[in-house]
Amino acid sequence: AQSVTQPDIHITVSEGASLELRCNYSYGATPYLFWYVQSPGQGLQLLLKYFSGDTLVQGIKGFEAEFKRSQSSFNLRKPSVHWSDAAEYFCAVGTRNNDMRFGAGTRLTVKP
Amino acid sequence: GAVVSQHPSRVICKSGTSVKIECRSLDFQATTMFWYRQFPKQSLMLMATSNEGSKATYEQGVEKDKFLINHASLTLSTLTVTSAHPEDSSFYICSARSLGPRRITEAFFGQGTRLTVV
Repeated sequence: AQSVTQPDIHITVSEGASLELRCNYSYGATPYLFWYVQSPGQGLQLLLKYFSGDTLVQGIKGFEAEFKRSQSSFNLRKPSVHWSDAAEYFCAVGTRNNDMRFGAGTRLTVKP
Repeated sequence: GAVVSQHPSRVICKSGTSVKIECRSLDFQATTMFWYRQFPKQSLMLMATSNEGSKATYEQGVEKDKFLINHASLTLSTLTVTSAHPEDSSFYICSARSLGPRRITEAFFGQGTRLTVV
């Protein structure tokens, strides 16, 4: 069965600084990988996804993620964080015929 | 992207009553819908998977008689929390996927429903 690990429960960065959120997955075949963002009391918004092809994926709001099969990772990055990026971020793994499993989430706090 | 509408967004009910939450795919046919539950400051936990026209598959530990799921059409799934108790208070989120001709291979999420049982 697939599973997702987000090692960092909470990360604090200064506005304008770079950001990297870690995600490791466990799955026997080629996974479909996703990053979602959730603001308090809101649903999930898809930031980006990886299905196949180029391992560096560009998403919305200036985010990108890189799929590294050798490390079973799909880390999310942003070169310069904005205060509005403060939210909860979830990594998820899915298959073509199955549901998605979510990581525990990483809460991002942005300092002025 | 595809749109999934979840209703209501917030509901407060008395202990012992039942609450129905609707999840609709607005511009695609959802062959599969998923229901998640999210406790405060925690991740989404899959409750059940429903396929149109068949019984839902529940995750271990989820009471199927308490959380009734119906997926009667390709655009609508409902979750009914029966005889609700305060411990059922939570944020419930649905998602929908389609594996039909459009080959949508990601799930689209509803806005979530905040259930408070008093």
